[in-house]
Amino acid sequence: NAGVTQTPKFRILKIGQSMTLQCAQDMNHNYMYWYRQDPGMGLKLIYYSVGAGITDKGEVPNGYNVSRSTTEDFPLRLELAAPSQTSVYFCASSYRGPNYGYTFGSGTRLTVV
Amino acid sequence: QQQVKQSPQSLIVQKGGISIINCAYENTAFDYFPWYQQFPGKGPALLIAIRPDVSEKKEGRFTISFNKSAKQFSLHIMDSQPGDSATYFCAAQDFGNEKLTFGTGTRLTIIP
Repeated sequence: NAGVTQTPKFRILKIGQSMTLQCAQDMNHNYMYWYRQDPGMGLKLIYYSVGAGITDKGEVPNGYNVSRSTTEDFPLRLELAAPSQTSVYFCASSYRGPNYGYTFGSGTRLTVV
Repeated sequence: QQQVKQSPQSLIVQKGGISIINCAYENTAFDYFPWYQQFPGKGPALLIAIRPDVSEKKEGRFTISFNKSAKQFSLHIMDSQPGDSATYFCAAQDFGNEKLTFGTGTRLTIIP
């Protein structure tokens, strides 16, 4: 079982460029989440999805977009990258919500220069 | 707005000692309180969780203490080992909400 797979692991973007962070899970989990982790700030929720075709904003959605066309995949799109988006991004999934436990991917470290 | 306040930001404990990390919350609708453990270069992983109908939950060397009236909960690691060195996050969920709110994390270092 691969669990939650995130690609790429590292990426350097120039200001104004766009990219998609990939997230895939093979556990047939309904819920998926995108968090960003900044030093001393903990984990901030960007977007989440409770099932295919359904997405909702989290605490810090500005500058990001998501889609959920399948149960397995939940890509995060960054448009017009800014230095403030330099962070470590984590994707997580859960069977039916937080009290079933989150399974996190290993993260994508993104630097915007 | 930070809904879950975690302290300390960093903690150094001697091997064999007790590590204690504290969290406080304001939202009385929170009804599920997990702790996640994160090793360098990895994603967080669920360690232990508690609901407010009990005051304590123990799993091996890890214990959550919960004080509903004070709106506080804490993680105790007994007989701390170098392998426990990691970042620990508390979190909370309110009933009917599909997401967790995380604390800011505590970097724990266990020294020999």
